[in-house]
Amino acid sequence: DTAVSQTPKYLVTQMGNDKSIKCEQNLGHDTMYWYKQDSKKFLKIMFSYNNKELIINETVPNRFSPKSPDKAHLNLHINSLELGDSAVYFCASTGDSSSYEQYFGPGTRLTVT
Amino acid sequence: GNSVTQMEGPVTLSEEAFLTINCTYTATGYPSLFWYVQYPGEGLQLLLKATKADDKGSNKGFEATYRKETTSFHLEKGSVQVSDSAVYFCALFTGGGNKLTFGTGTQLKVEL
Repeated sequence: DTAVSQTPKYLVTQMGNDKSIKCEQNLGHDTMYWYKQDSKKFLKIMFSYNNKELIINETVPNRFSPKSPDKAHLNLHINSLELGDSAVYFCASTGDSSSYEQYFGPGTRLTVT
Repeated sequence: GNSVTQMEGPVTLSEEAFLTINCTYTATGYPSLFWYVQYPGEGLQLLLKATKADDKGSNKGFEATYRKETTSFHLEKGSVQVSDSAVYFCALFTGGGNKLTFGTGTQLKVEL
């Protein structure tokens, strides 16, 4: 009965590789997000989709490309991975447009070596 | 633009001590305010919220009151436990931009 799930939980890869992280929510929410959390726990929004349409695209290198096949899924593909991409990536969703309470996934720890 | 300022951590307390984590904000309009908690190795989860001035959010012994006059939403708990050790994030939403604005997070460590 997991609300927001992400796969994989851990991802270790080498510089230059391409990798994807998947996110699914079973809450019936319309809006989904990707966040990046650095080693100091600072949380930065990257993208947001509403009903499969991109609505937020913060200053993120174009090596990062989100894809939303349907409103329950938001995947993140990263090309040409760099050391600085190492972080924890969180997916989140919201269905409450009045207060924007967000539900977070467990995170994917990406380590680029 | 919107911004949230939290006290820097880590905050280290003994069990049963009183906790205050300060949070102040700058926002256009009338924001909804939130405290999220992140336990080690997990994602963030909503701890409490308040949607208008003078509202008090409460959950699991934690409380925070929406103070419009001081633009603050300080988190308090009367007696912390070791299990409260986590990172606490203050956040706001104003309806514009379709996103939450988070503070930098405050790590709390509670020791026996």
